[in-house]
Amino acid sequence: DGGITQSPKYLFRKEGQNVTLSCEQNLNHDAMYWYRQDPGQGLRLIYYSQIVNDFQKGDIAEGYSVSREKKESFPLTVTSAQKNPTAFYLCASSIGSGAGDTQYFGPGTRLTVL
Amino acid sequence: AQTVTQSQPEMSVQEAETVTLSCTYDTSESDYYLFWYKQPPSRQMILVIRQEAYKQQNATENRFSVNFQKAAKSFSLKISDSQLGDAAMYFCAYCLTTSGTYKYIFGTGTRLKVLA
Repeated sequence: DGGITQSPKYLFRKEGQNVTLSCEQNLNHDAMYWYRQDPGQGLRLIYYSQIVNDFQKGDIAEGYSVSREKKESFPLTVTSAQKNPTAFYLCASSIGSGAGDTQYFGPGTRLTVL
Repeated sequence: AQTVTQSQPEMSVQEAETVTLSCTYDTSESDYYLFWYKQPPSRQMILVIRQEAYKQQNATENRFSVNFQKAAKSFSLKISDSQLGDAAMYFCAYCLTTSGTYKYIFGTGTRLKVLA
């Protein structure tokens, strides 16, 4: 089955530690995205990648880093510089990065900082 | 700056009835896309419907349709013949690419309850 997988579903981290969230897609999509969702808010774009080996900052990139070494993978690292990392993180992909391209979302990862 | 506003935090509808969810947005651009997404309790976002700003005709997808008023910057979602499975959070979103920059702005969502 084609789709997007995110792991783990739940993640706990101690303050001061970096943590990496996994996102894999087998849809052969060029573009991938990371969003953050907080209670009572919509999604906010963290980073996006239009093609392998390239990525751009979204609206809230501070304290996060990404890589795009393979077309199917777009891991997100939440660094210790992120002041309020507890949130629900969603990964998405689309066939291209045009404004009208449909984004397909993964099931999400809930990150809790202890 | 672009913004998306959903003024109804929660709505209720009787099964088989029709409900309309409101969305307004602010932009100075003329070419963009608007979306409605559904987020059920599983929290996986699902695209419901999409509208291209340069198309005057309102988009429809089965029981879902939009009322797109470009001059008023309004983009409401109408759900006809509501079903129990329609219960979810609904997010309105705006997308624009310009000069290599990608903008995807979501509203704060409307929780839809469907009453049996």
